[in-house]
Amino acid sequence: KQEVTQIPAALSVPEGENLVLNCSFTDSAIYNLQWFRQDPGKGLTSLLLIQSSQREQTSGRLNASLDKSSGRSTLYIAASQPGDSATYLCAVRQTLTGGGNKLTFGTGTQLKVEL
Amino acid sequence: SAVISQKPSRDICQRGTSLTIQCQVDSQVTMMFWYRQQPGQSLTLIATANQGSEATYESGFVIDKFPISRPNLTFSTLTVSNMSPEDSSIYLCSVPGTWDTYGYTFGSGTRLTVV
Repeated sequence: KQEVTQIPAALSVPEGENLVLNCSFTDSAIYNLQWFRQDPGKGLTSLLLIQSSQREQTSGRLNASLDKSSGRSTLYIAASQPGDSATYLCAVRQTLTGGGNKLTFGTGTQLKVEL
Repeated sequence: SAVISQKPSRDICQRGTSLTIQCQVDSQVTMMFWYRQQPGQSLTLIATANQGSEATYESGFVIDKFPISRPNLTFSTLTVSNMSPEDSSIYLCSVPGTWDTYGYTFGSGTRLTVV
């Protein structure tokens, strides 16, 4: 059974700092990994999607990497801003033969960027 | 990627009553997924809604408590029946993108409080 863990659970940084969020998963037979952002009481906004064959994806100040063999992904946020404050979730999608339509979510990292 | 309209965005309900949540997608999709997010927790898959057949429920979730309808390829409802305070959660619907391009898209969520 896939298990996804995110470290740290919570993080508070001053504005402008670069930061790294970590995601680890136990079963490397994944199809892709997706990073989401969730504002309090709201739905999920997709940030980045990395296919299993890819090493990294970039969107603006965000960069996500994937090391499938070691079961790890990182989300790098450059020059953090107060508007980045939210909970960040990673989710893995299994391969077709491994129940491929289901997402398994991590526990989330609650980020606060302070002025 | 698909756009999902989810209603209601929030509700406060009396215990013992039922609430039906709706999700409308702007394109036809084979599968729709329903998730629950309990306070301070990550997302847990409730069931997969298939058009033309009964929903497939995950372990710990039963049809009598969470009946699902999927009358066509763009619409689904989830009912939370005979509610108790433990059902207070955010409920989200989701659809997958194509396997090689898009990740999952989520509705804006329904924040349910049972009193």
